[in-house]
Amino acid sequence: QQQVKQSPQSLIVQKGGISIINCAYENTAFDYFPWYQQFPGKGPALLIAIRPDVSEKKEGRFTISFNKSAKQFSLHIMDSQPGDSATYFCAASGEYTGGFKTIFGAGTRLFVKA
Amino acid sequence: DAMVIQNPRYQVTQFGKPVTLSCSQTLNHNVMYWYQQKSSQAPKLLFHYYDKDFNNEADTPDNFQSRRPNTSFCFLDIRSPGLGDAAMYLCATSRGRGGNEQFFGPGTRLTVL
Repeated sequence: QQQVKQSPQSLIVQKGGISIINCAYENTAFDYFPWYQQFPGKGPALLIAIRPDVSEKKEGRFTISFNKSAKQFSLHIMDSQPGDSATYFCAASGEYTGGFKTIFGAGTRLFVKA
Repeated sequence: DAMVIQNPRYQVTQFGKPVTLSCSQTLNHNVMYWYQQKSSQAPKLLFHYYDKDFNNEADTPDNFQSRRPNTSFCFLDIRSPGLGDAAMYLCATSRGRGGNEQFFGPGTRLTVL
């Protein structure tokens, strides 16, 4: 009930291509779904986030697609660049009867080939 | 610039020797979090403070304690570090819980010898 499943574990994309990372959650109490980008030796930084009242959110080259009924959401990186090479974490958070929870997916290592 | 600062960036301790990691923030956020991140794994929430209210995750070992003397500072105490506690420790802050961005510090890399 508390897991956030993320796939793929690693991803190699050509420069200019589309990177797609998927996540699935179980607890319907979650109401905030962010994506974080992490470079080696740095803390994660928020990339883009969505709430379940919308099905899609776009910021520049980054888009989140959200499917509430399937309890799935995905990150699309358009025109992928070598500078996008990093580890990406999806997360889910919210208040529920057991308290507040924020749970991260296992991460996806993205490598964009020049 | 408003930020989350962690000290030290690298900490080496001996097996069983207590260690304290420090986090400070200039964002004036009321929530502060401590995460443990092992190599190639996701950050795992250990506990968080909502103002002065301490919230421990059910599976956080008793070996880990935290203090928040004021809004700006939060400390992670590891009473008797074991080899399995070697990890990156990340501090984060947010304005409120739930649907609010968490701002992460650069982390402290803990090595246990």
